[in-house]
Amino acid sequence: DAGVIQSPRHEVTEMGQEVTLRCKPISGHDYLFWYRQTMMRGLELLIYFNNNVPIDDSGMPEDRFSAKMPNASFSTLKIQPSEPRDSAVYFCASSFSPGTGTNTEAFFGQGTRLTVV
Amino acid sequence: DAKTTQPNSMESNEEEPVHLPCNHSTISGTDYIHWYRQLPSQGPEYVIHGLTSNVNNRMASLAIAEDRKSSTLILHRATLRDAAVYYCILRVFKAAGNKLTFGGGTRVLVKP
Repeated sequence: DAGVIQSPRHEVTEMGQEVTLRCKPISGHDYLFWYRQTMMRGLELLIYFNNNVPIDDSGMPEDRFSAKMPNASFSTLKIQPSEPRDSAVYFCASSFSPGTGTNTEAFFGQGTRLTVV
Repeated sequence: DAKTTQPNSMESNEEEPVHLPCNHSTISGTDYIHWYRQLPSQGPEYVIHGLTSNVNNRMASLAIAEDRKSSTLILHRATLRDAAVYYCILRVFKAAGNKLTFGGGTRVLVKP
């Protein structure tokens, strides 16, 4: 497997524009996580899905952010409209949970570096 | 969610062992202790995890206190490639979710 694949790797956009980040999790994984990383705030969990269903979106900063997982092999994180303070590296991760009481590792993508000017 | 406390930074000499402490005094019985590390300009990568017993793998060892309120990640022989931020995370598996939340981590500097 090629691992978690994120696209694009870099994105530069103007303030007010819509930005869509994409993630392809590892096949067979049932959990998908979206994170944002900045120097000031570190790694923040934005939202996570289990079997394509959002479980906890309490980390989503505001209504400008939305995430979807239409199927087990694809997820998007959308920012509309984008603002300069959204500039950060966004990571997607996936993991597999084989059963109650078992815990496995999460695999991270290489991230998308977003710059909003 | 139970919290973890780690030192901000640590230094080590190459080829020497590194002991990274983590305090998690509010850990619950269903919390697994996970360690991840993040190399410069990369996404985090899994290092090791455990529940109650000490664990070893090719990357590191995890020593868990008997009361589970603290743990130590041990890098047996640090190399320059081990310079990274190391995160200690408590991850609970339950029917309602399987959250993975990162704290501040410990930045490890390895000196040649």
